[in-house]
Amino acid sequence: QVQLVQSGAEVKNPGASVKVSCQASGYTFTAYYMHWVRQAPGQGLEWMGWINPKSGRTNYVQKFQGRVTMTRDTSMSTIYMELRSLGSDDTAVYYCAREQEDDAFDIWGQGTLVTVSS
Amino acid sequence: QSVLTQPPSVSGAPGQRVTISCTGNSSNIGAGYAVHWYQHLPATAPKLLIYGNNNRPSGVPDRFSGSKSGPSASLAITGLQAEDEADYYCQSYDNSLSESRVFGGGTKLTVL
Repeated sequence: QVQLVQSGAEVKNPGASVKVSCQASGYTFTAYYMHWVRQAPGQGLEWMGWINPKSGRTNYVQKFQGRVTMTRDTSMSTIYMELRSLGSDDTAVYYCAREQEDDAFDIWGQGTLVTVSS
Repeated sequence: QSVLTQPPSVSGAPGQRVTISCTGNSSNIGAGYAVHWYQHLPATAPKLLIYGNNNRPSGVPDRFSGSKSGPSASLAITGLQAEDEADYYCQSYDNSLSESRVFGGGTKLTVL
């Protein structure tokens, strides 16, 4: 079946980097844009950006530009999100999501908890 | 502060009907872009509930419906059930920020 499986929880020190993966299965990986969305404790959903798995082209929310990199490995049907210079306000659950034809997010990964703490 | 505005909370008794509003502007909903709705239960991934303003994915009960008018959209839930207690988010496209997607701040639905 169609699914997205993310990597496990991470604990990082302030100033460090984290790289979260999201492996797709059950569909043609390059046919759909992929997005990253995060939810900090007690907060709502926050869109971070997208990657086109076919071309590798990316688009990031301005607040993350310079600090985030989204990449993909087509041989592994996997996308990655690296966030650098982590601060305590980056503590959140990070989700990958597939975008269907009308830009709704129809399939979501299970989420990856990233905790930033010294 | 979210680009799309939702009420922080709504509530209703079992069997009742509730609505959740989502207000945008001329750069997103008001520009004609589609509105999508998600249901988010604790410790689970968000679930697509309504797409393209008023379409339900397979498996979503017809108790859930969406509508859109001008710069606003609404999610209606009829025959409220205890299992509907969750956070609900609207989402759309915004052309003022390069190819951006935007979410509402979320609405907590409490079933009394």
